[in-house]
This record gives sequence, C-alpha cells and structure tokens, in this order.
Amino acid sequence: AQSVTQLDSQVPVFEEAPVELRCNYSSSVSVYLFWYVQYPNQGLQLLLKYLSGSTLVKGINGFEAEFNKSQTSFHLRKPSVHISDTAEYFCAVSKYNTDKLIFGTGTRLQVFP
Amino acid sequence: GAGVSQSPSNKVTEKGKDVELRCDPISGHTALYWYRQSLGQGLEFLIYFQGNSAPDKSGLPSDRFSAERTGGSVSTLTIQRTQQEDSAVYLCASSSSGAISKNIQYFGAGTRLSVL
Repeated sequence: AQSVTQLDSQVPVFEEAPVELRCNYSSSVSVYLFWYVQYPNQGLQLLLKYLSGSTLVKGINGFEAEFNKSQTSFHLRKPSVHISDTAEYFCAVSKYNTDKLIFGTGTRLQVFP
Repeated sequence: GAGVSQSPSNKVTEKGKDVELRCDPISGHTALYWYRQSLGQGLEFLIYFQGNSAPDKSGLPSDRFSAERTGGSVSTLTIQRTQQEDSAVYLCASSSSGAISKNIQYFGAGTRLSVL
C-alpha cells in the first residue's frame, strides 16, 4: 500500500522568501506523484505532477518539485513566494495511470507581508 | 468548457436521514472519483469508476455509503442513515485517458455536508 507523509502541518514565511514544502512517500511499487493546491473555499487544483523522465518538474505559479527516488521524496519549492500563495498544499501519489490518489495530510502555507 | 460540477454545494441534514450528492464530470472523462475531506481524517479516497469496469469501492467507510454512475457520466453518492461523523466536504474528480491530460484529476468545488 502507498502512503504519503507531509512533515509540516504549517509553514509560515515572509513574502519574497523562498519556501520548501516537504513530502515523503512509501510504496513497494513505482508511483506517480502530484502536488495539489487548495485556496480558501475552493476545490483542489493541480500544481504539478511527476510521471516519468526528468526528476525536476516545473508547475504553475512558479512552483517546482524534485523527485528523489533514493530518499522517496517529492519536495515542493518556490524561490520567492507571494501573498497569493497562501493556501493548503497537498502531496499525493497514485499507483498507476488514473488510479485513486492517496493524499498527505496537507501543509498550510501562510505568507506574511 | 465546464469543469466538474457538484450539487448541492451545501447540505444540512438531520442525523438518521439519507442524502444524495451529485457529480457531473467533465464531458468525455472516463474515470470518476469520490473523496472526502474532513478535519480529523484529511483527504480520503472513497470510490473510483473507470469506464465500464467494476468500481473500486475499497475506500467506502461503511455499508451506509454507496455510489453509482449512470451511463458512464453522472454519479450519485448516497449516504444512508447519516451520522454526525459523516460531516465533511465530499469532493468529486474526473480524469481522461487522453494523451494530453491523462493522470490529471480535475476536482469539483465539493459538497459540504453537515449532519446535525
């Protein structure tokens, strides 16, 4: 079975500072990896995904993530955050194409002016 | 192009009543998923439909929960004899097997269920 751990439940950061949201996964088989963002009172929106190929994945809104198979990690990064990045971020895995998503518990990113 | 549509957006019900939640996926999407988002449990998978295959019901928490997908499109999640612990936001997602957008699940805004 797959599982996802997001070590930080909350990450406070000042505007224009860099940020890293951590995600580790556990699986006995190859997985696909995703980051979703949920803005207040909205649904989930895909930020980026890793299926195969280059381990550095670029997504929307200036976010990127790096797949590290040896460390079973898929950390999300942004070099300079904006107030508008304040949201809940979820890391997720799926076992194969179009299978169900297993989510982490989420990390609330709070950006302060 | 419409996204995933869920109705109602909010539902308040009394303990013991049955409720039905509706999901209209993106047209042409072959896969449909239900998830539940609650304070205590985070985001949990409930059930998954893929084309004409038997659904994956492995995430349904009890036999009070059921779902169907009619004609490969609209889906209804039914909760019978609701309990207070069923209070949550129920999210629906759909995905396509097309080359460009495969593996991407598009989510609706959810139905917020409150059981009094």
